[in-house]
Amino acid sequence: GAVVSQHPSRVICKSGTSVKIECRSLDFQATTMFWYRQFPKKSLMLMATSNEGSKATYEQGVEKDKFLINHASLTLSTLTVTSAHPEDSSFYICSARGYRDYGYTFGSGTRLTVV
Amino acid sequence: AQSVTQPDIHITVSEGASLELRCNYSYGATPYLFWYVQSPGQGLQLLLKYFSGDTLVQGIKGFEAEFKRSQSSFNLRKPSVHWSDAAEYFCAVGDGVDSNYQLIWGAGTKLIIKP
Repeated sequence: GAVVSQHPSRVICKSGTSVKIECRSLDFQATTMFWYRQFPKKSLMLMATSNEGSKATYEQGVEKDKFLINHASLTLSTLTVTSAHPEDSSFYICSARGYRDYGYTFGSGTRLTVV
Repeated sequence: AQSVTQPDIHITVSEGASLELRCNYSYGATPYLFWYVQSPGQGLQLLLKYFSGDTLVQGIKGFEAEFKRSQSSFNLRKPSVHWSDAAEYFCAVGDGVDSNYQLIWGAGTKLIIKP
Protein backbone atom coordinates (compact mmCIF):
# COMPACT_ATOMS: atom_id res chain seq x y z
CA GLY A 1 0.00 0.00 0.00
CA ALA A 2 0.86 3.66 -0.11
CA VAL A 3 3.57 4.72 2.31
CA VAL A 4 4.52 8.17 3.52
CA SER A 5 7.80 8.63 5.32
CA GLN A 6 8.19 11.57 7.67
CA HIS A 7 11.49 12.64 9.22
CA PRO A 8 12.65 13.31 11.79
CA SER A 9 10.35 11.57 14.22
CA ARG A 10 11.64 13.69 17.09
CA VAL A 11 13.62 16.90 17.18
CA ILE A 12 14.70 19.20 19.93
CA CYS A 13 15.94 22.63 18.98
CA LYS A 14 16.92 25.85 20.65
CA SER A 15 14.63 28.83 20.60
CA GLY A 16 15.35 31.04 17.60
CA THR A 17 16.63 28.30 15.33
CA SER A 18 14.86 26.75 12.34
CA VAL A 19 13.78 23.17 11.90
CA LYS A 20 12.94 21.34 8.69
CA ILE A 21 10.56 18.39 8.57
CA GLU A 22 10.43 16.18 5.48
CA CYS A 23 7.49 14.24 4.15
CA ARG A 24 8.09 11.75 1.35
CA SER A 25 5.71 9.55 -0.55
CA LEU A 26 7.68 6.37 -1.13
CA ASP A 27 5.67 4.47 -3.71
CA PHE A 28 3.29 6.94 -5.26
CA GLN A 29 3.24 10.44 -6.62
CA ALA A 30 1.65 12.82 -4.17
CA THR A 31 -0.14 15.56 -6.04
CA THR A 32 -1.36 17.07 -2.81
CA MET A 33 0.21 17.11 0.61
CA PHE A 34 -1.27 18.36 3.83
CA TRP A 35 0.40 19.50 7.01
CA TYR A 36 -1.33 19.16 10.34
CA ARG A 37 -0.51 20.21 13.84
CA GLN A 38 -1.80 18.39 16.85
CA PHE A 39 -2.00 20.12 20.19
CA PRO A 40 -2.04 18.03 23.37
CA LYS A 41 -5.40 16.34 23.88
CA LYS A 42 -6.73 18.06 20.79
CA SER A 43 -7.68 16.93 17.35
CA LEU A 44 -5.67 17.61 14.25
CA MET A 45 -5.59 21.14 12.92
CA LEU A 46 -4.91 21.58 9.23
CA MET A 47 -2.11 24.09 8.74
CA ALA A 48 -1.74 24.16 4.99
CA THR A 49 -2.34 22.35 1.75
CA SER A 50 0.34 22.15 -0.90
CA ASN A 51 0.15 21.07 -4.50
CA GLU A 52 3.28 20.11 -6.35
CA GLY A 53 4.89 23.06 -8.04
CA SER A 54 2.67 25.73 -6.56
CA LYS A 55 2.53 27.81 -3.41
CA ALA A 56 0.94 26.31 -0.35
CA THR A 57 -2.50 27.40 0.77
CA TYR A 58 -2.47 28.25 4.45
CA GLU A 59 -5.39 28.00 6.82
CA GLN A 60 -6.56 31.08 8.60
CA GLY A 61 -4.38 31.92 11.56
CA VAL A 62 -1.31 30.04 10.34
CA GLU A 63 1.69 32.29 9.76
CA LYS A 64 3.08 31.44 6.36
CA ASP A 65 6.34 33.24 7.03
CA LYS A 66 6.87 31.13 10.09
CA PHE A 67 5.79 27.79 8.68
CA LEU A 68 7.42 27.55 5.27
CA ILE A 69 6.11 24.78 3.09
CA ASN A 70 7.80 23.60 -0.06
CA HIS A 71 6.39 20.96 -2.40
CA ALA A 72 9.03 20.93 -5.09
CA SER A 73 8.46 17.42 -6.37
CA LEU A 74 5.71 14.84 -6.52
CA THR A 75 7.32 12.83 -3.76
CA LEU A 76 8.62 15.43 -1.32
CA SER A 77 7.17 18.21 0.76
CA THR A 78 8.97 20.02 3.55
CA LEU A 79 7.77 22.10 6.45
CA THR A 80 10.29 24.50 7.93
CA VAL A 81 9.52 26.07 11.27
CA THR A 82 11.50 29.30 11.24
CA SER A 83 12.75 31.07 14.35
CA ALA A 84 11.12 28.45 16.51
CA HIS A 85 9.79 29.32 19.93
CA PRO A 86 8.60 27.11 22.77
CA GLU A 87 4.98 27.68 21.78
CA ASP A 88 5.77 25.98 18.46
CA SER A 89 6.43 22.75 20.32
CA SER A 90 3.90 20.29 19.02
CA PHE A 91 3.29 17.14 17.04
CA TYR A 92 3.33 17.79 13.30
CA ILE A 93 1.88 15.28 10.84
CA CYS A 94 1.88 15.27 7.07
CA SER A 95 -0.43 13.41 4.77
CA ALA A 96 -0.39 12.83 1.05
CA ARG A 97 -2.80 11.97 -1.68
CA GLY A 98 -2.02 10.79 -5.19
CA TYR A 99 -3.68 11.05 -8.58
CA ARG A 100 -7.32 9.94 -8.60
CA ASP A 101 -6.79 8.78 -5.06
CA TYR A 102 -9.63 9.23 -2.67
CA GLY A 103 -7.65 8.23 0.37
CA TYR A 104 -5.05 9.91 2.52
CA THR A 105 -1.84 8.38 3.74
CA PHE A 106 -0.29 9.86 6.83
CA GLY A 107 3.30 10.13 7.92
CA SER A 108 4.29 8.92 11.37
CA GLY A 109 4.57 12.45 12.72
CA THR A 110 7.31 14.64 14.15
CA ARG A 111 7.49 15.64 17.78
CA LEU A 112 9.07 19.10 17.91
CA THR A 113 10.31 20.43 21.22
CA VAL A 114 11.70 23.94 21.34
CA VAL A 115 13.76 24.74 24.42
CA ALA B 1 -20.65 24.70 8.58
CA GLN B 2 -19.57 21.11 8.37
CA SER B 3 -18.57 19.52 11.64
CA VAL B 4 -17.74 16.19 13.21
CA THR B 5 -18.64 15.29 16.76
CA GLN B 6 -17.18 12.52 18.81
CA PRO B 7 -19.13 12.86 22.03
CA ASP B 8 -16.92 10.63 24.14
CA ILE B 9 -13.54 12.08 25.09
CA HIS B 10 -12.45 8.75 26.48
CA ILE B 11 -13.93 5.30 26.87
CA THR B 12 -12.79 2.46 29.11
CA VAL B 13 -13.52 -1.08 28.03
CA SER B 14 -12.48 -4.43 29.45
CA GLU B 15 -10.32 -6.61 27.26
CA GLY B 16 -12.53 -8.97 25.32
CA ALA B 17 -15.58 -6.76 25.60
CA SER B 18 -17.32 -5.16 22.66
CA LEU B 19 -16.70 -1.58 21.64
CA GLU B 20 -18.64 1.18 19.97
CA LEU B 21 -17.19 4.62 19.34
CA ARG B 22 -19.65 7.26 18.29
CA CYS B 23 -19.28 9.74 15.49
CA ASN B 24 -21.87 12.23 14.27
CA TYR B 25 -21.40 14.66 11.45
CA SER B 26 -23.04 17.68 9.99
CA TYR B 27 -22.77 17.81 6.22
CA GLY B 28 -25.18 18.75 3.48
CA ALA B 29 -24.42 16.06 0.95
CA THR B 30 -23.44 12.42 1.18
CA PRO B 31 -20.12 12.57 2.96
CA TYR B 32 -16.94 10.64 2.65
CA LEU B 33 -16.37 9.16 6.09
CA PHE B 34 -13.23 7.87 7.72
CA TRP B 35 -11.98 6.37 10.94
CA TYR B 36 -8.32 6.69 11.85
CA VAL B 37 -6.38 5.32 14.79
CA GLN B 38 -3.38 6.98 16.39
CA SER B 39 -1.13 5.13 18.79
CA PRO B 40 0.83 7.24 21.28
CA GLY B 41 3.48 9.31 19.54
CA GLN B 42 2.59 7.82 16.18
CA GLY B 43 0.96 9.05 13.02
CA LEU B 44 -2.49 8.11 11.88
CA GLN B 45 -3.53 4.82 10.37
CA LEU B 46 -6.67 4.45 8.32
CA LEU B 47 -9.01 1.86 9.81
CA LEU B 48 -11.78 2.11 7.26
CA LYS B 49 -13.60 4.49 4.98
CA TYR B 50 -17.00 4.93 3.39
CA PHE B 51 -17.57 6.57 0.04
CA SER B 52 -20.70 4.88 -1.27
CA GLY B 53 -22.46 1.54 -1.52
CA ASP B 54 -22.89 -0.85 1.36
CA THR B 55 -23.39 1.15 4.52
CA LEU B 56 -21.64 -1.42 6.68
CA VAL B 57 -17.93 -1.08 6.11
CA GLN B 58 -15.29 -3.56 7.16
CA GLY B 59 -11.86 -2.32 8.10
CA ILE B 60 -8.55 -3.55 9.38
CA LYS B 61 -7.89 -5.05 12.79
CA GLY B 62 -11.43 -6.39 13.06
CA PHE B 63 -13.14 -3.00 13.06
CA GLU B 64 -16.32 -2.14 11.24
CA ALA B 65 -18.46 0.96 10.96
CA GLU B 66 -21.99 1.62 9.82
CA PHE B 67 -23.14 4.71 7.97
CA LYS B 68 -26.63 5.74 9.05
CA ARG B 69 -27.81 8.65 7.00
CA SER B 70 -30.96 9.21 9.04
CA GLN B 71 -28.87 9.63 12.18
CA SER B 72 -25.91 11.36 10.52
CA SER B 73 -23.71 8.83 12.23
CA PHE B 74 -20.76 6.63 11.42
CA ASN B 75 -20.08 4.64 14.57
CA LEU B 76 -17.07 2.39 14.87
CA ARG B 77 -17.48 -1.07 16.35
CA LYS B 78 -15.42 -4.05 17.31
CA PRO B 79 -16.89 -7.22 18.83
CA SER B 80 -13.95 -7.99 21.11
CA VAL B 81 -11.19 -5.54 21.94
CA HIS B 82 -7.56 -6.41 22.59
CA TRP B 83 -5.12 -4.54 24.78
CA SER B 84 -3.30 -3.43 21.63
CA ASP B 85 -6.40 -1.48 20.59
CA ALA B 86 -5.67 1.12 23.26
CA ALA B 87 -5.15 4.31 21.25
CA GLU B 88 -6.84 7.49 20.14
CA TYR B 89 -9.50 7.16 17.48
CA PHE B 90 -10.47 9.94 15.12
CA CYS B 91 -13.51 10.20 12.92
CA ALA B 92 -13.23 12.43 9.87
CA VAL B 93 -15.48 13.69 7.09
CA GLY B 94 -14.35 14.53 3.60
CA ASP B 95 -15.48 18.06 2.84
CA GLY B 96 -15.89 18.45 -0.90
CA VAL B 97 -16.72 16.48 -3.99
CA ASP B 98 -14.93 13.82 -5.95
CA SER B 99 -11.27 13.66 -5.08
CA ASN B 100 -10.99 17.33 -4.26
CA TYR B 101 -11.82 17.33 -0.60
CA GLN B 102 -10.25 18.08 2.73
CA LEU B 103 -10.77 16.29 6.00
CA ILE B 104 -12.76 17.69 8.87
CA TRP B 105 -11.79 16.02 12.09
CA GLY B 106 -13.58 15.01 15.24
CA ALA B 107 -11.88 15.73 18.54
CA GLY B 108 -10.93 12.11 19.03
CA THR B 109 -11.85 9.43 21.54
CA LYS B 110 -9.22 7.87 23.72
CA LEU B 111 -9.77 4.16 24.21
CA ILE B 112 -8.52 2.68 27.46
CA ILE B 113 -8.44 -1.08 27.86
CA LYS B 114 -8.86 -2.64 31.29
CA PRO B 115 -7.09 -5.95 31.79
